Amino acid sequence: EAQVTQNPRYLITVTGKKLTVTCSQNMNHEYMSWYRQDPGLGLRQIYYSMNVEVTDKGDVPEGYKVSRKEKRNFPLILESPSPNQTSLYFCASSYKTSGRAGELFFGEGSRLTVL
Amino acid sequence: DAKTTQPTSMDCAEGRAANLPCNHSTISGNEYVYWYRQIHSQGPQYIIHGLKNNETNEMASLIITEDRKSSTLILPHATLRDTAVYYCIVLGGTSYGKLTFGQGTILTVHP
Repeated sequence: EAQVTQNPRYLITVTGKKLTVTCSQNMNHEYMSWYRQDPGLGLRQIYYSMNVEVTDKGDVPEGYKVSRKEKRNFPLILESPSPNQTSLYFCASSYKTSGRAGELFFGEGSRLTVL
Repeated sequence: DAKTTQPTSMDCAEGRAANLPCNHSTISGNEYVYWYRQIHSQGPQYIIHGLKNNETNEMASLIITEDRKSSTLILPHATLRDTAVYYCIVLGGTSYGKLTFGQGTILTVHP
């Protein structure tokens, strides 16, 4: 089954404790991206990756890191989480971003709480 | 990258057509219009996309104006399960990779 898998789905952590949210897709997609969703602010892009070893900042990259060492995986790293990073996070992937093949497949979301 | 503007919320009676507008006046020639919806806090789900012609699939229809500056998503017979947030985004061309979803339209379908 074609899917985007995020882990963990739920996490409560404390300020400053490094954490990684994993994202994996099984569709051989080139493009992957991360979003956070907060009440009243919609979906905001954190980072995106056009292909292996190619990443770039979205609209809200501060406090986050990513890496794309393999095509299928795109982990989101919070080196020193703070309470303002409490949010619902989504990973998404698509074959291309060239318009015709730009359909995004989203993961189920990871709800992160930083105390 | 082209931005989109959508109404904050809309209502629709069950069984009637829901027409959701989107303005994308800065869209460029090779950018596509995509529509997604998000039910509760689930991951957004793809609905339909188009370049300049009207499109229809099993979920919805997409009407794009001739100048491509706006579009309308049509759910022909809305059901209670269509209550969701609907996002219109522009994708492709020079907006390669960096996507802006905006806040979308909250569609509420009433019995």
